[in-house]
Amino acid sequence: SAVISQKPSRDICQRGTSLTIQCQVDSQVTMMFWYRQQPGQSLTLIATANQGSEATYESGFVIDKFPISRPNLTFSTLTVSNMSPEDSSIYLCSVRTASGGKLFFGSGTQLSVL
Amino acid sequence: AQSVAQPEDQVNVAEGNPLTVKCTYSVSGNPYLFWYVQYPNRGLQFLLKYITGDNLVKGSYGFEAEFNKSQTSFHLKKPSALVSDSALYFCAVRPPGSWGKFQFGAGTQVVVTP
Repeated sequence: SAVISQKPSRDICQRGTSLTIQCQVDSQVTMMFWYRQQPGQSLTLIATANQGSEATYESGFVIDKFPISRPNLTFSTLTVSNMSPEDSSIYLCSVRTASGGKLFFGSGTQLSVL
Repeated sequence: AQSVAQPEDQVNVAEGNPLTVKCTYSVSGNPYLFWYVQYPNRGLQFLLKYITGDNLVKGSYGFEAEFNKSQTSFHLKKPSALVSDSALYFCAVRPPGSWGKFQFGAGTQVVVTP
């Protein structure tokens, strides 16, 4: 299993500002992902955070808007840049363990943009 | 393209009655199938998975799911629901070879009344 600490748990931000979300895992993991869960909707994969290289973004998500860092195998950050009210969502960090192949999730960051 | 469908936005059941949450999928090849549960203000928690083998999979908190290849379904079941089972349930599929790219269903809100 994996224990994931994600912070902040929630934040209220002004339009045009940026917020960086941190994700810390209690063990080394190869695969780390960032998901978005918009109000009343399912999870959408934003990107795969790759250690030592640029993140791999899904269709509809770009690096300028959601820059991601992955300096080592236990830590990643997601920045939501130049925020607008449409960015109000829950952002979830997740990791996939080698054994079992399932995803573990952080508790999420509830972001509200005014 | 792969997809996951949860046809019911909400399922209402009385405590002690059987609970079923439906999920159907469309994916090439033999998928890996998962169920997750999300409690308010929490991240997703893993319930169970099907990779291969016995079509009936048992998971956490008394839940089980039945894989039906001909109907491409993976319905979640619990023989006797508890009020504490009230939560949001997500079905997810990971196509073979896709590593961590899970496709999540829209989610089904389960409400168990005393």
